[in-house]
This record gives sequence, C-alpha cells and structure tokens, in this order.
Amino acid sequence: QSALTQPPSVSRSPGQSVTISCTGTSSDIGGFNRVSWYQQAPGTVPKLIIYEVSNRPSGVPDRFSGSKSGNTASLTISGLQAGDEADYYCSSYTSSSTVVFGGGTKLTVL
Amino acid sequence: EVQLLESGGGLVQPGGSQRLSCAASGFTFSSYAMTWVRQPPGKGLEWVAVTGASGYTKYYSDSVRGRFTISRDNSKSTLYLEMNSLRVEDTAVYYCAKDVAGIFNGMDVWGQGTTVTVSS
Repeated sequence: QSALTQPPSVSRSPGQSVTISCTGTSSDIGGFNRVSWYQQAPGTVPKLIIYEVSNRPSGVPDRFSGSKSGNTASLTISGLQAGDEADYYCSSYTSSSTVVFGGGTKLTVL
Repeated sequence: EVQLLESGGGLVQPGGSQRLSCAASGFTFSSYAMTWVRQPPGKGLEWVAVTGASGYTKYYSDSVRGRFTISRDNSKSTLYLEMNSLRVEDTAVYYCAKDVAGIFNGMDVWGQGTTVTVSS
C-alpha cells in the first residue's frame, strides 16, 4: 500500500488560511469516508483534529475543517496562529482493511 | 483522565523479539478498538496494526504481517504488541492509540510512545 501524497511543506502568514491536500486512490480515500487528519507539533504526540472526513473531536477549534472530493482529501485551517505550526498527517482506511498515512506536511506560520 | 502508557521498548538485536505493552485508564477499554502506530526517527507516521474491542478482529500492515502480533487483555485494560524477527527498519517510536469510534475511523487518544531500537 503506497503512502498518500501530501505536499512536503507549506507556509503562510498569521491570520491567513491554508489548505493541505492529501491524494490517494479509489482504494482508499475515494472509496471510503474514513479520512483522518493529525497535528504533530515538534516533540509532541500526534493529535486527532479531523475524523471521518469532516468531523472535529471536541476541543478542536472550528478553524480546522476537512473535506473530500474524489480521491483527494483536504484540510483547511483558517485564521492561522503561531501555535498551528506543526506537521500535519492525513490517513485513510483502505480496501485491504489497513490504514495508510500520508508523508506529512510541515506547516510554517511566518 | 483518559490515559495510555506504553512500556517495553529498548535495544534489541536484528532477528530478536520484543513485547510492548500499553496500559489504559480513564475510559472503558473493552468498548474501543485499539491501534499501534510507529514513527521512525525523523520520519512520518506508519500504521502497524489494530484490534477490535473484543480482541477477535485483528489487522496488520504488510510490513509487519507474520512477524508482529497484536493482542489485548480487557480484564487488565492492556494492549500488547509482540514483535518477532525484528529488522533494523523496525526501529521507531511505537505509539498505542484508542480508536475514536468503531474501527478504522481515526485515533483520538495517544500514548507518549516507547522507543524500539533494532541494532547489532
């Protein structure tokens, strides 16, 4: 199972919005509504911020939103803050009854 | 407080074995699927295995299938990962994580991780 494809890095200024893409295939993202997104700040444990494509766990600000179109999922963060600087990983259930992660996107808030 | 605490990591030689444990507290362990995820040094996340709430359902990544075994003891609220025939490329921080609901829908609680180093 190949990893999902994410841009290695993105950078924005505080207050701006950013959308991080995650591209897979019809055997993973395109075939199921089981896409999750995780935030991992340096030296910390991954944190779930979106599950089942667009659901936010309690405590996650509504600045974070998720969507999916075909074989591509997207994470949008609006009103960027310095504290949003982290690595972001997407993941998806696959038709092989496994989970595949993306390679991660490093978000820099300049 | 919902908490997961991994243990059992360490240095092991190639071809050796290691058993990881993950003690859960603060939630009804027997009601949730549980997952192992690993992260090699300086690299991204890699899904390893999942077990359903009852322990009967188990799924593995291609890279560990046949070498690793996931199990759980609901009476002890503990998750395990038995790792055999270890390879250098298994070197990573191993996290246990609680599934948010059902199975394969995302992991909402993570342990702090335990480091496994495979080296001669």
